[in-house]
Amino acid sequence: SAVISQKPSRDICQRGTSLTIQCQVDSQVTMMFWYRQQPGQSLTLIATANQGSEATYESGFVIDKFPISRPNLTFSTLTVSNMSPEDSSIYLCSVEPAEGNTIYFGEGSWLTVV
Amino acid sequence: GQNIDQPTEMTATEGAIVQINCTYQTSGFNGLFWYQQHAGEAPTFLSYNVLDGLEEKGRFSSFLSRSKGYSYLLLKELQMKDSASYLCAVKPPKAGTALIFGKGTTLSVSS
Repeated sequence: SAVISQKPSRDICQRGTSLTIQCQVDSQVTMMFWYRQQPGQSLTLIATANQGSEATYESGFVIDKFPISRPNLTFSTLTVSNMSPEDSSIYLCSVEPAEGNTIYFGEGSWLTVV
Repeated sequence: GQNIDQPTEMTATEGAIVQINCTYQTSGFNGLFWYQQHAGEAPTFLSYNVLDGLEEKGRFSSFLSRSKGYSYLLLKELQMKDSASYLCAVKPPKAGTALIFGKGTTLSVSS
């Protein structure tokens, strides 16, 4: 299994500011993903965080708005830039360890933009 | 295209059995996951099926039919704490690709 720590767990942010969410895993993992879950909705993939290179973004998500870093196999960050109330959401880090078929989620970061 | 369908809401009573269905139409398939998500919390892993048949794990069981593009999650001896959203997700065949999630089924268990 993998234990994932996400920070911050919750935050209230001012419109126009940016916030960086951190995801730390207790073991090296092959894949790391970032999802968004808007109120009452299911999970939507933002991007795949690639170790040592630029993230791979899904349609509708761009690097300028959601810059992602992954400097090593255990850590990644997601920044939500120039926030608006529409960015109020849960942001979830997800990992796939090399050895198994289970995909794990961090505890989530609950962001409210006012 | 990718399409995963689940009922939006279900209700049941304590002690009962409930079956949550999931149908999928995806370009390729490498397994199906079920997650439980309580309000205000992150999803937690329940089951993974890649071969046809039934996987039993305590009160929860998950079934897969790849030829029909169909899965279900069976919850027995329902408890109030089982009130949650249940998410069906398909793993694409390409290595390193993320799960594709259905919209989730909100289950309400009453006494």
